[in-house]
Amino acid sequence: DTEVTQTPKHLVMGMTNKKSLKCEQHMGHRAMYWYKQKAKKPPELMFVYSYEKLSINESVPSRFSPECPNSSLLNLHLHALQPEDSALYLCASSPGTPGRNSYNEQFFGPGTRLTVL
Amino acid sequence: AQKVTQAQTEISVVEKEDVTLDCVYETRDTTYYLFWYKQPPSGELVFLIRRNSFDEQNEISGRYSWNFQKSTSSFNFTITASQVVDSAVYFCALSEGRSGAGSYQLTFGKGTKLSVIP
Repeated sequence: DTEVTQTPKHLVMGMTNKKSLKCEQHMGHRAMYWYKQKAKKPPELMFVYSYEKLSINESVPSRFSPECPNSSLLNLHLHALQPEDSALYLCASSPGTPGRNSYNEQFFGPGTRLTVL
Repeated sequence: AQKVTQAQTEISVVEKEDVTLDCVYETRDTTYYLFWYKQPPSGELVFLIRRNSFDEQNEISGRYSWNFQKSTSSFNFTITASQVVDSAVYFCALSEGRSGAGSYQLTFGKGTKLSVIP
């Protein structure tokens, strides 16, 4: 299995809703990432989990709450979002094991297109 | 601070033409990694290639080739005999090394949108 899966593919939510995005990989990767991508822009890093611990939070508002229940799963909990949070949310993973030839290549999922009304 | 510049915002070519996407990077590290990703309209970022700073060997993979030159801080990508399926946004990215135990941050360029016209 060499892919990263994300659910749902599309999500429409109101500003008062609570929803979650899910990301899963079964490649044994030890680092997982959340990115936000607006139209015609490159991905922007939000969070990094390394060995199931949050290692980087790029000053993301608290209405985004990441969670890493185990080494294969990464969630992004959403609450009280704003319309400007509408974007494509991408999850990625990388092996994270120094010494391996491909240890820092990030593999991306298909993304969740989020619309906040 | 690291930076990646993709000066070409949009490129249009006719099918079967060759096209080169430019990427120029800035970094103070002696060890770094360069990547190219393809993002078709469906949205998924597809990994194409990684290059280490200590390996300047150019690479060819089918219709794709990459030219890495440390002297000019460039890592250009050429598609030979372009096809409509090559239409996508292409991102060049740079990683300077480990930013946390086992994780690596990517700095992306702004992307080049390639349109291949049949």
